[in-house]
Amino acid sequence: DIQMTQSPSSLSASVGDRVTITCRASQSISSRLNWYQQKPGKAPKLLIYAASTLQSGVPSRFSGSGSGTDFTLTIISLQPEDFATYYCQQSYSAFTFGQGTRLEIK
Amino acid sequence: EVQLVESGGGLVQPGGSLRLSCAASGFTVISNYVSWVRQAPGKGLEWVSIIYSGGTTKYADSVKGRFTISRDNSKNTLYLQMNSLRVEDTAVYYCSRLDTSHWHNDYWGQGTLVTVSS
Repeated sequence: DIQMTQSPSSLSASVGDRVTITCRASQSISSRLNWYQQKPGKAPKLLIYAASTLQSGVPSRFSGSGSGTDFTLTIISLQPEDFATYYCQQSYSAFTFGQGTRLEIK
Repeated sequence: EVQLVESGGGLVQPGGSLRLSCAASGFTVISNYVSWVRQAPGKGLEWVSIIYSGGTTKYADSVKGRFTISRDNSKNTLYLQMNSLRVEDTAVYYCSRLDTSHWHNDYWGQGTLVTVSS
């Protein structure tokens, strides 16, 4: 089974900051990597798929990069609505999520 | 507009059974891949099961042999039959459509809570 490891597990930042979350796969997953945002009590929301493609309607301050085993999600100029938990997901072999990164207001 | 609406959650004793439903609209379940994902209280997301458009089913090791995914094409509804439930199956269960162009979950339901407790 493919394991996904996100870092950091939690992160404190301020409005306007730039933040980066990383996700590492236990084996190569090509570009089969997706990012989701989840707010308390809500379903996950797709942000980025295929490692770097922005889902329709998602603000351009979100971006993704990487391939193989190492991936990053970057948010530039954090907005108040961006404080949430972020998950990566591999879809190369079955489906596995990272453990999540909780982004909190500093 | 694509919508997914789960139902059927509730309180069940360990060893018991429950069937979850996911009513789909805006797309047909028979022509799509649809999955179940769960989230234990305060924990992360865990993929549970998927049914392909052709009818093939896959399961996470944690539920294999206990859970069964199925669909009713006439009702455009997905099901998850859960047997031999354990305390660790307590979670919010989401159904979600998989976009097979790039293998990502593009639409999600609001979730239904299953609590396994004596």
